[in-house]
Amino acid sequence: DTGVSQNPRHKITKRGQNVTFRCDPISEHNRLYWYRQTLGQGPEFLTYFQNEAQLEKSRLLSDRFSAERPKGSFSTLEIQRTEQGDSAMYLCASSLEDRVRGETQYFGPGTRLLVL
Amino acid sequence: KQEVTQIPAALSVPEGENLVLNCSFTDSAIYNLQWFRQDPGKGLTSLLLIQSSQREQTSGRLNASLDKSSGRSTLYIAASQPGDSATYLCAVNLLRGGKLIFGQGTELSVKP
Repeated sequence: DTGVSQNPRHKITKRGQNVTFRCDPISEHNRLYWYRQTLGQGPEFLTYFQNEAQLEKSRLLSDRFSAERPKGSFSTLEIQRTEQGDSAMYLCASSLEDRVRGETQYFGPGTRLLVL
Repeated sequence: KQEVTQIPAALSVPEGENLVLNCSFTDSAIYNLQWFRQDPGKGLTSLLLIQSSQREQTSGRLNASLDKSSGRSTLYIAASQPGDSATYLCAVNLLRGGKLIFGQGTELSVKP
C-alpha cells in the first residue's frame, strides 16, 4: 500500500518535553499538509508545503511548533516544550496538483499525542 | 472568514434507510468541496470531491450535491448499512492546492 504513512501512531509524553512526528506522503504528491484534530471537532489546518517550500502557516502554529520538508519528500512536525493543550490527533495529508479532476487530499492514519 | 457547519451533529437510523447529511458554508467562493469518512481513532478517507463548477458527484451508494449560491452541500447515502457507521466530515477548499476548512462532522450510527 502506498498511502500516506505517519509515525509514531501514538505518543505519550510529559509536559515540557519535545516531540517529533514524521509523515511520508504518497510518493508522487508535491503538496503536504498538517492538521490537528481534537475530540469531537473537525481537523484544523496547521501548515502546508509545496515541494520543500512552506507556503502557509496557521496562527494556531505557535513558535513552539516547527515543520520541515527537506528535499520535498517526507515531513516532520516538532513540538517543543509540550503543554497539555497540545494533546490531539495530528494528521498529515498529501495531494497532487490536478487542474482537470481537482485536487483530493489523502490523509494518513494520524499520530495521537497525549501530554501528561 | 469561511465557516463550515454540519447538521445534525449525530444521527441514528435503522439499517436500510436512505439518509441525507447536510453541510453549509458561509463564503460561496470555494474551489471545491470534499466529503470524508472517519472511523473512531482513525484518519480520514476521502469519499467524494465536487469541483465548484459541478452540481453533484456519485460513487456507489453515495451521492453528493453542491449548491454554491446557497452555500450548501448534501451527502445522500442510499440503503444504509451498519458498516456505514462513522463520522462524516465535509471540507471546503478556497484555493487550488490550499488548506481544507472542515465542519465539525456528523456522527452516523446505522442500527442492524
